Amino acid sequence: EPEVTQTPSHQVTQMGQEVILRCVPISNHLYFYWYRQILGQKVEFLVSFYNNEISEKSEIFDDQFSVERPDGSNFTLKIRSTKLEDSAMYFCASTKGLAGEDTQYFGPGTRLTVL
Amino acid sequence: QKEVEQNSGPLSVPEGAIASLNCTYSDRGSQSFFWYRQYSGKSPELIMSIYSNGDKEDGRFTAQLNKASQYVSLLIRDSQPSDSATYLCAVHQAGTALIFGKGTTLSVSS
Repeated sequence: EPEVTQTPSHQVTQMGQEVILRCVPISNHLYFYWYRQILGQKVEFLVSFYNNEISEKSEIFDDQFSVERPDGSNFTLKIRSTKLEDSAMYFCASTKGLAGEDTQYFGPGTRLTVL
Repeated sequence: QKEVEQNSGPLSVPEGAIASLNCTYSDRGSQSFFWYRQYSGKSPELIMSIYSNGDKEDGRFTAQLNKASQYVSLLIRDSQPSDSATYLCAVHQAGTALIFGKGTTLSVSS
């Protein structure tokens, strides 16, 4: 069964460093998403991406964040200068069709630890 | 502020019992509703989606939606210890984002 994959599974970084989290969505899916979950808190939407541009972003997704689809398979989330409060699980998701008409399938997540 | 509310629990049921999980949402324009299961340290895993009022059954799981009351629930029949997890209610309101509740922790004792 096709699945969303994410690398790395765990990333440790120093405050102020840049990190890139990688995702490979399901191959025939067209819509891609990033969510985060701070330990003990709810899953929060960050950004959605379709046709090589951002469709929607939340208040959390400020200028420190960017997303890119550098090739036909990868979807990346870059945090330019990490802060302690960026420590969280980051989940990538994808859908074949429009959100709300289709189910978002989540990858296993990347645990980001900022020291 | 668009909100999805769930009792955090824990909800404790004995093996074989019915577990009932509830969720309310604030935006009347919400269109699609999802229940995800999340084991500790893992990603959300879809259990059920429901789009129209009424009940939807899939195996031991039944989702119920009442848009007038802005209420969605999940029933788990014949609960098993392996059902012990956090159950996340997620609502699609507009745009592309899913809005999640904080989740209800279910504990099934054998």
